[in-house]
Amino acid sequence: EDQVTQSPEALRLQEGESSSLNCSYTVSGLRGLFWYRQDPGKGPEFLFTLYSAGEEKEKERLKATLTKKESFLHITAPKPEDSATYLCAVQAGTYKYIFGTGTRLKVLA
Amino acid sequence: DGGITQSPKYLFRKEGQNVTLSCEQNLNHDAMYWYRQDPGQGLRLIYYSQIVNDFQKGDIAEGYSVSREKKESFPLTVTSAQKNPTAFYLCASSLLPGTDTQYFGPGTRLTVL
Repeated sequence: EDQVTQSPEALRLQEGESSSLNCSYTVSGLRGLFWYRQDPGKGPEFLFTLYSAGEEKEKERLKATLTKKESFLHITAPKPEDSATYLCAVQAGTYKYIFGTGTRLKVLA
Repeated sequence: DGGITQSPKYLFRKEGQNVTLSCEQNLNHDAMYWYRQDPGQGLRLIYYSQIVNDFQKGDIAEGYSVSREKKESFPLTVTSAQKNPTAFYLCASSLLPGTDTQYFGPGTRLTVL
């Protein structure tokens, strides 16, 4: 069964304390893996798309990496404005996108 | 600015009522999607459309209906047959069906009174 699992469910960091969020997936035929940021009461905001193992992408304090079984979202020296829920999704078929339940990140000043 | 708009932001429904959620995009994307988001669950696909006048059921289509009369618009109707409609509804689009990143609108929160 195609599945996406994100961990941890929630994470509290001090400002400047770097960490990583995990997205583990089992899918027959990965077409793409996506990271989104979602603020409370708002729609997900696109961050990254990764297509193949070994691929890495960066944007400001965020870096996403991909292996054959999981993806990591590394947050370097986070700031309070990085607080949000981070969603991971995989595309397992033409119209089949499977979403994880997200990691709620809180960065304390 | 290109993007996806959803309206209204908040919607209240009485028992037995049908309500329609609006979704418009000016990204010239071919594919459009409707998802439902509930606390503690991943997004679940309600309907998707790859071209005008064509749409397909997703995983949880019961109690919902859609139309795609224009490329830019993909409204969702929540019918009285949907027994638990209280949720956050998200519309998304992608440039090409099934091969590209999905971009999301701001969402509509539907509450049943």
